[in-house]
Amino acid sequence: DTAVSQTPKYLVTQMGNDKSIKCEQNLGHDTMYWYKQDSKKFLKIMFSYNNKELIINETVPNRFSPKSPDKAHLNLHINSLELGDSAVYFCASSRGHTPIVYGYTFGSGTRLTVV
Amino acid sequence: QKEVEQNSGPLSVPEGAIASLNCTYSDRGSQSFFWYRQYSGKSPELIMFIYSNGDKEDGRFTAQLNKASQYVSLLIRDSQPSDSATYLCAVTSGTNAGKSTFGDGTTLTVKP
Repeated sequence: DTAVSQTPKYLVTQMGNDKSIKCEQNLGHDTMYWYKQDSKKFLKIMFSYNNKELIINETVPNRFSPKSPDKAHLNLHINSLELGDSAVYFCASSRGHTPIVYGYTFGSGTRLTVV
Repeated sequence: QKEVEQNSGPLSVPEGAIASLNCTYSDRGSQSFFWYRQYSGKSPELIMFIYSNGDKEDGRFTAQLNKASQYVSLLIRDSQPSDSATYLCAVTSGTNAGKSTFGDGTTLTVKP
């Protein structure tokens, strides 16, 4: 009965490969997000979707492409992986259109290591 | 200047003491303020939120907000070793599609 679940939990891959991370939430939340956390623990937003519509698209290389088939799912596909992409990627969701009132519920994270 | 700045850590306090974590933000339009706790290797967990100036208490945690000074803090009373974690301050504005901007985090260690 995990609220926000991500798969895989760990991902080790070689430079140049393409990989995907999947996220699902069963909270009935309207908005989902992808955040990247670097080695210094800094969390930076990448994308957000509200009811399948892209709301936030920060300055992220276009090798990163999110996709939301429905409001309960948000996937992240990364092409041509680079060493600098190594980080922990967190999926999150929030009730309503914005997290102003409710804050985020985070998934358990995907630790991506590019070698 | 960073959008959200937290006092540099690490912060170490003895068990039973009060831990004080501070955060300043640059956007005067910010409307809501959150504190997340993140244990090593785990995901951030929301522990407190505050929208209005003043204090908000929840158990051993007190969040304090001063919008004029653009300052928000988290006090942890009777600190326990289980409070040892990184605490992330997050600030949300209604003018930026509701995204939360996070600080770098302050790592707290509570020593028995």
